[in-house]
Amino acid sequence: DAKTTQPPSMDCAEGRAANLPCNHSTISGNEYVYWYRQIHSQGPQYIIHGLKNNETNEMASLIITEDRKSSTLILPHATLRDTAVYYCIVRVALTGNQFYFGTGTSLTVIP
Amino acid sequence: GAVVSQHPSWVICKSGTSVKIECRSLDFQATTMFWYRQFPKQSLMLMATSNEGSKATYEQGVEKDKFLINHASLTLSTLTVTSAHPEDSSFYICSARPSVFQVTQFFGPGTRLTVL
Repeated sequence: DAKTTQPPSMDCAEGRAANLPCNHSTISGNEYVYWYRQIHSQGPQYIIHGLKNNETNEMASLIITEDRKSSTLILPHATLRDTAVYYCIVRVALTGNQFYFGTGTSLTVIP
Repeated sequence: GAVVSQHPSWVICKSGTSVKIECRSLDFQATTMFWYRQFPKQSLMLMATSNEGSKATYEQGVEKDKFLINHASLTLSTLTVTSAHPEDSSFYICSARPSVFQVTQFFGPGTRLTVL
């Protein structure tokens, strides 16, 4: 599986957009990019996933570069409840589908 | 949709005893469930993949005789920590992959195990 690199921590002002980057330069053509977040002492929460097109849902937007070597998760209007550790995972779908978590980005939304 | 529950949410036990943790998919069937362990201030570590009706597949370094996994139905997987010791104290999290939406998986709320 392709490895991912994320900044260990980020701050974002409440109400502003939070842009969380993820580098996955060794991604292969059939690997999806998944984003999950984990609020303290809870199980991870699914946010969004994509293969090569940009994706948007009610929680966030996922922007994947054309070469697929990096992606950005965008929380359009961050709230205090978005404070969490955000994990970017790259994995081939439908084959085992085991997720191997990296260290993620600890996002702190500041009032 | 896609709700996963775990029971208990926390448990305290004495060293040497066994503890069973249940993971249930509430509104979907899951042919595959996963078990993770998370120590304080660390990331999730995959322990094993649980397939309904077959033996679990354990990650390297995870003792299969210590962490017994049973996936007896399409909605239930159990993890039994046998002869628990204080170093087994951790946050145990399961996830399930819906058969229909196979590209992703959904996580339970976790079980906090403390071994005295």
